[in-house]
Amino acid sequence: DTEVTQTPKHLVMGMTNKKSLKCEQHMGHRAMYWYKQKAKKPPELMFVYSYEKLSINESVPSRFSPECPNSSLLNLHLHALQPEDSALYLCASSQEGGGQETQYFGPGTRLLVL
Amino acid sequence: AQSVTQLGSHVSVSEGALVLLRCNYSSSVPPYLFWYVQYPNQGLQLLLKYTTGATLVKGINGFEAEFKKSETSFHLTKPSAHMSDAAEYFCAVSSTHINNDMRFGAGTRLTVKP
Repeated sequence: DTEVTQTPKHLVMGMTNKKSLKCEQHMGHRAMYWYKQKAKKPPELMFVYSYEKLSINESVPSRFSPECPNSSLLNLHLHALQPEDSALYLCASSQEGGGQETQYFGPGTRLLVL
Repeated sequence: AQSVTQLGSHVSVSEGALVLLRCNYSSSVPPYLFWYVQYPNQGLQLLLKYTTGATLVKGINGFEAEFKKSETSFHLTKPSAHMSDAAEYFCAVSSTHINNDMRFGAGTRLTVKP
């Protein structure tokens, strides 16, 4: 099973809302990633967790808060977002977090901030 | 920091024609290089990757790429395009086996004409 699942598939939220994105994998991978992808642009790395510890934070605004409760789950908590945060949010996982590893991507959550 | 440049944001070929998507990289250390494909409204899927060893890498769906250190290139080819190859293609680079700090190129949209 090489599947990464993400919920919800679509999310519409106001600027004062609090919401969470969820990502799950059962491949035994110990590294998980959040990317942000704007329309017609490449994915941009936001956060990397390796062995449930945050290893990379690409200077993402604090209105995005990642959480890795266990090795299979990754959450992204959203609060006080701006319309420019509307994008496709992709989750990925890899074996341990090494640069030579294949990353397996989920289908993404399409977020619209009104 | 490492980076990749994809030459041509849009490539159009006829069905059955050669596909050539260009990627040049910049890295101060030996790179790990990847090609990912993204179909509409989906996540990314690995086509192939170069880590070490043989410089001609074969991937899924009949694609292959050759790592050329002297030219700092990793171009993607397929001898005969199929309609199902129409998608967005991303070249990516990472530079360390310790942390996965993968960076994507801007992407190339491949259109296949009947």
